[in-house]
Amino acid sequence: EAAVTQSPRNKVAVTGGKVTLSCNQTNNHNNMYWYRQDTGHGLRLIHYSYGAGSTEKGDIPDGYKASRPSQENFSLILELATPSQTSVYFCASGDTGGSQNTLYFGAGTRLSVL
Amino acid sequence: QQQVRQSPQSLTVWEGETAILNCSYEDSTFDYFPWYHQFPGESPALLIAIRPVSNKKEDGRFTIFFNKREKKFSLHIADSQPGDSATYFCAASADYGNEKITFGAGTKLTIKP
Repeated sequence: EAAVTQSPRNKVAVTGGKVTLSCNQTNNHNNMYWYRQDTGHGLRLIHYSYGAGSTEKGDIPDGYKASRPSQENFSLILELATPSQTSVYFCASGDTGGSQNTLYFGAGTRLSVL
Repeated sequence: QQQVRQSPQSLTVWEGETAILNCSYEDSTFDYFPWYHQFPGESPALLIAIRPVSNKKEDGRFTIFFNKREKKFSLHIADSQPGDSATYFCAASADYGNEKITFGAGTKLTIKP
């Protein structure tokens, strides 16, 4: 079964600070995604990647950067964290092979920006 | 701009009834429509999915009905069980293997025993 590991699981940051959320997948999927989940908004796509070295903007990329240094790792970077970025962040991996594109989610990172 | 709209925001049905969750979309290039469920404290997981080559997809008690002309699709959960209580997300993506997947805002489903 696909394995997606996020770290840290919980993070408290100060406004204006830099935050890095990390994601590692062991199933050799080409695609990786970062979503944030907020009540009333569901899952909103921040950045995604087709493979090592690639990053693409999702629907709400402002205030976030992403990095995909390898097939396994995909990071989300908040250079200047703001309280509006307080949320639960999910990383996912997926493969477009076959008839469906299934996403496998990590356990999530709960971020609080004070 | 929300490309995938989901309703209702919350839904309560009695055990044994059929729960109906609805979604609509705007982008005509969307051609893959999955439903994910998320139990409290857990991550979302794929439940069932459909491509518009067919207008119905069944998997046990779960059925997707798809209406391409109206750009709508729905999830029917027959014989609802308390264990089905969760948040359900519809989603959509364009093209075979397109990497961007857009989710709806979710429906919180509660099944009363």
